Amino acid sequence: AQSVTQPDIHITVSEGASLELRCNYSYGATPYLFWYVQSPGQGLQLLLKYFSGDTLVQGIKGFEAEFKRSQSSFNLRKPSVHWSDAAEYFCAVVNTGGFKTIFGAGTRLFVKA
Amino acid sequence: DVKVTQSSRYLVKRTGEKVFLECVQDMDHENMFWYRQDPGLGLRLIYFSYDVKMKEKGDIPEGYSVSREKKERFSLILESASTNQTSMYLCASSPGTSANTGELFFGEGSRLTVL
Repeated sequence: AQSVTQPDIHITVSEGASLELRCNYSYGATPYLFWYVQSPGQGLQLLLKYFSGDTLVQGIKGFEAEFKRSQSSFNLRKPSVHWSDAAEYFCAVVNTGGFKTIFGAGTRLFVKA
Repeated sequence: DVKVTQSSRYLVKRTGEKVFLECVQDMDHENMFWYRQDPGLGLRLIYFSYDVKMKEKGDIPEGYSVSREKKERFSLILESASTNQTSMYLCASSPGTSANTGELFFGEGSRLTVL
């Protein structure tokens, strides 16, 4: 069965520090992979997505993610975190039909001054 | 700008009441979804619809039903609300098969409290 694991429930980083949020997936083929961000009290917004090709993908707000097939991972990174990045981040896998998205449990990011 | 609108941001209902959560999208998307979000569990799919009057059960359909009479509108119905349905409900949409990249477009959510 398809699944997505985000091992860190919450992470705290200092403003200006680098960030890496981990995501591991279980899927029979190469999936479509996504990262979404949810600010408090809001819906989810797409940060970036991977379908094929270059394994390093760039997204909005200075985020990037790297697809590593050998590790079944799709970790999200940002070189310098801003206070406005405090939010919850969800990794997601979509089947090739595009109808069913499997979400991870989410990682809540706290940013300290 | 693309938009998914959920009519009620916050609702408080009593056990046994019938609850309607409405969702409207203006992107002419074929697919619409209802998710439930709970801390530590991520988002879980309740129902989805890939066409008018069509619906498919998701992972947790028990206690819920849906209605899609028009392409732009997808309603979630709790026939008899229970306290364990207290949650955040998120509506989402996506294009039909030919244009579908898997990306979901979300509304801002409806936080339901059942007393």
